Amino acid sequence: KQEVTQIPAALSVPEGENLVLNCSFTDSAIYNLQWFRQDPGKGLTSLLLIQSSQREQTSGRLNASLDKSSGRSTLYIAASQPGDSATYLCAVRDFNKFYFGSGTKLNVKP
Amino acid sequence: EAGVTQFPSHSVIEKGQTVTLRCDPISGHDNLYWYRRVMGKEIKFLLHFVKESKQDESGMPNNRFLAERTGGTYSTLKVQPAELEDSGVYFCASSPLLAGGPNEQFFGPGTRLTVL
Repeated sequence: KQEVTQIPAALSVPEGENLVLNCSFTDSAIYNLQWFRQDPGKGLTSLLLIQSSQREQTSGRLNASLDKSSGRSTLYIAASQPGDSATYLCAVRDFNKFYFGSGTKLNVKP
Repeated sequence: EAGVTQFPSHSVIEKGQTVTLRCDPISGHDNLYWYRRVMGKEIKFLLHFVKESKQDESGMPNNRFLAERTGGTYSTLKVQPAELEDSGVYFCASSPLLAGGPNEQFFGPGTRLTVL
């Protein structure tokens, strides 16, 4: 059974810092991995999707890496801004469904 | 292009009552998924439709939950009778049916269900 763990559970940083969010999963037989952002009371916004054959994806200040063999992914956020404050969720996909981590709650202080 | 929509956004009901949640996927998306997040837990898969057929319903918690997707368009998730532990946020997601395997899922805003 796939289990997804995200560390840290919460993170508070001053504006401008570069930061790394971690995601680990127990079963390396995945199709893809997706990082989401969730704002309070809102739905999930997809940030980056990494297929199992890929090593990383980049979008603006975000970079996500995937090491399938070790069961790890990282989300790197460069030059953090207060608007980045949200909960970040990692989800790994088998053929049909996602398995989600519990998320990292990020607070970027002005 | 409209995204995945869910109705209602919030629902407050009493234990024992019935509630029906609705999801309208992105037009043309044959795959439709239901997930839920109960308080303090991670988001968990409930079930997956391909068009009107249930592909995987392994995450449905018990027989008080009934999902339908008549005509392969919108889907409903009925909880009857609702229990306190059913409180949480119910998400719907959709994706196109493409060759090559799984692809990106697009999530709706969720329905927050509170059972008193």
